[in-house]
Amino acid sequence: GEDVEQSLFLSVREGDSSVINCTYTDSSSTYLYWYKQEPGAGLQLLTYIFSNMDMKQDQRLTVLLNKKDKHLSLRIADTQTGDSAIYFCAERIGGSQGNLIFGKGTKLSVKP
Amino acid sequence: DTAVSQTPKYLVTQMGNDKSIKCEQNLGHDTMYWYKQDSKKFLKIMFSYNNKELIINETVPNRFSPKSPDKAHLNLHINSLELGDSAVYFCASSRGGVLYNEQFFGPGTRLTVL
Repeated sequence: GEDVEQSLFLSVREGDSSVINCTYTDSSSTYLYWYKQEPGAGLQLLTYIFSNMDMKQDQRLTVLLNKKDKHLSLRIADTQTGDSAIYFCAERIGGSQGNLIFGKGTKLSVKP
Repeated sequence: DTAVSQTPKYLVTQMGNDKSIKCEQNLGHDTMYWYKQDSKKFLKIMFSYNNKELIINETVPNRFSPKSPDKAHLNLHINSLELGDSAVYFCASSRGGVLYNEQFFGPGTRLTVL
């Protein structure tokens, strides 16, 4: 079945790197996503990766994809207090207009 | 100039009532969605809809029905509200033909059923 798993909590100190991990089950997923949800707000797309890539870097964000193990990670370099939020991993199933299946979200807390 | 908007932001109502949540997007997108986020922050797709097809998550009770008066709106109507319906409901939209299919989310509607 479709399932996306993430650890629920991560706490880091300001300036450290954060690594949020995710596993998914659908090997036919073409795109995988990281969404960010700040308190009281909707989700915003942070970054995405196409399944034929194994790494994508975008400023402080690095996404690593291990397709064999169905493992996705998001690394945030030089984590700031403004990065405190819930981060959702998602896979798209069912083709170009398919639905997103979200993980349960990882709450990132950044301590000054 | 809000991209995806929802009203109301908060909704408190009694069990058994019927209520609607409205969603509008001004992005010209052709697909809209409703998600439910429960108290543990778990986010589940309820519906996706474009002008051709409504796809319903089979776990959604038939008390929930999406209504789309036009391409820019997808309202969520809920009959006979139950305590377990309390959650935050998010509307989202996306544009067809875009490979990575970014979904833009509304700010959410917090529904509390008493």
